[in-house]
Amino acid sequence: GQSLEQPSEVTAVEGAIVQINCTYQTSGFYGLSWYQQHDGGAPTFLSYNALDGLEETGRFSSFLSRSDSYGYLLLQELQMKDSASYFCAVNEGRRALTFGSGTRLQVQP
Amino acid sequence: DAGITQSPRHKVTETGTPVTLRCHQTENHRYMYWYRQDPGHGLRLIHYSYGVKDTDKGEVSDGYSVSRSKTEDFLLTLESATSSQTSVYFCAISGQGQNTEAFFGQGTRLTVV
Repeated sequence: GQSLEQPSEVTAVEGAIVQINCTYQTSGFYGLSWYQQHDGGAPTFLSYNALDGLEETGRFSSFLSRSDSYGYLLLQELQMKDSASYFCAVNEGRRALTFGSGTRLQVQP
Repeated sequence: DAGITQSPRHKVTETGTPVTLRCHQTENHRYMYWYRQDPGHGLRLIHYSYGVKDTDKGEVSDGYSVSRSKTEDFLLTLESATSSQTSVYFCAISGQGQNTEAFFGQGTRLTVV
């Protein structure tokens, strides 16, 4: 089976940088994804890493180390609208994503 | 936005009654999923489908069944609803390729009383 661990809550101020870590255990691994979910909304895709290294998409970056079973999401120039829950997810074949419990990010002015 | 709709969006039902939730997509994606979301548990996979009439169980499949008779529809049935099945249910779809981006429906809030 699979398991993912990520911090339950993170607080940061506007304009700052925050890193949300994710460690995983899985019997098979295709890649690590990140999703954002605002309260009352649906999860939306942010990024996907299949290979080691950093992927950058605007203010968001995601990193993967397959050898360490570890990844992180980096959010720069934080804005109030970034307050949301962030989930890491692994794909272990047959394209069924397994999600972590989520990290609630609160951005303060 | 990906063409994925869930119905109903809200439902209150009584313990012991059967309930069916519907997920409809217009993207012709092969893969469809049902997740439930509860506080502190993130999104947990109930069942998924990798093609018409091809389905498999997820980690929390007990008490649920699914059917997919055509590409665009994936139905989730609670055979005999219990209070522990009170949750928000999300349907998701994904296509082929290395990028496993999944698109989620807006969710169904189900309350079992």
